[in-house]
Amino acid sequence: AQTVTQSQPEMSVQEAETVTLSCTYDTSESDYYLFWYKQPPSRQMILVIRQEAYKQQNATENRFSVNFQKAAKSFSLKISDSQLGDAAMYFCAYRSARLVGGGADGLTFGKGTHLIIQP
Amino acid sequence: DADVTQTPRNRITKTGKRIMLECSQTKGHDRMYWYRQDPGLGLQLIYYSFDVKDINKGEISDGYSVSRQAQAKFSLSLESAIPNQTALYFCATSDNSPLHFGNGTRLTVT
Repeated sequence: AQTVTQSQPEMSVQEAETVTLSCTYDTSESDYYLFWYKQPPSRQMILVIRQEAYKQQNATENRFSVNFQKAAKSFSLKISDSQLGDAAMYFCAYRSARLVGGGADGLTFGKGTHLIIQP
Repeated sequence: DADVTQTPRNRITKTGKRIMLECSQTKGHDRMYWYRQDPGLGLQLIYYSFDVKDINKGEISDGYSVSRQAQAKFSLSLESAIPNQTALYFCATSDNSPLHFGNGTRLTVT
């Protein structure tokens, strides 16, 4: 079974600065997807960014980028120019790419990192 | 309108009561999921469904049951609610890659 570990229960950053959230995972598969989801106080689960394991290039979405190290099984999220609206819980998640023919499905989540933005 | 709609948004019930949480989607996805979120534990998978005739247990299915009434509808039932089922419950759908979540149902069992 896959596991996802977020070792930082809480992080704090000054507004306009850069912060990196850590995530490691354990899997024996070679083909999979990785995601970062944001959960603000409104409790919605919002997809921030995704990475396909077969792609060597790190994904970016505006101020959000990842550092994907497949061999090290590491998938960190960098938020640049932090804004007050970035304050939320951030969850790292794993999904197998073997979606055909049944078998286990769904996302495996880490326990989350609470990001605080200091004005 | 939301693509994945959960009802009710909040619910308080008593121990021993039967309760159903409902989920409907307009995304046309075959795969649907129910997750439970507890503080400090992230989200854990309760059940998932590939289609109307294919339902599978997740990692924490004990005490729960589901029904896939149609491609667009997937309901979660607690036959006899207990206080440790107090949590935030999410429904989600998927085609290939990311999951798309509803806004959650906060359930309190007293």
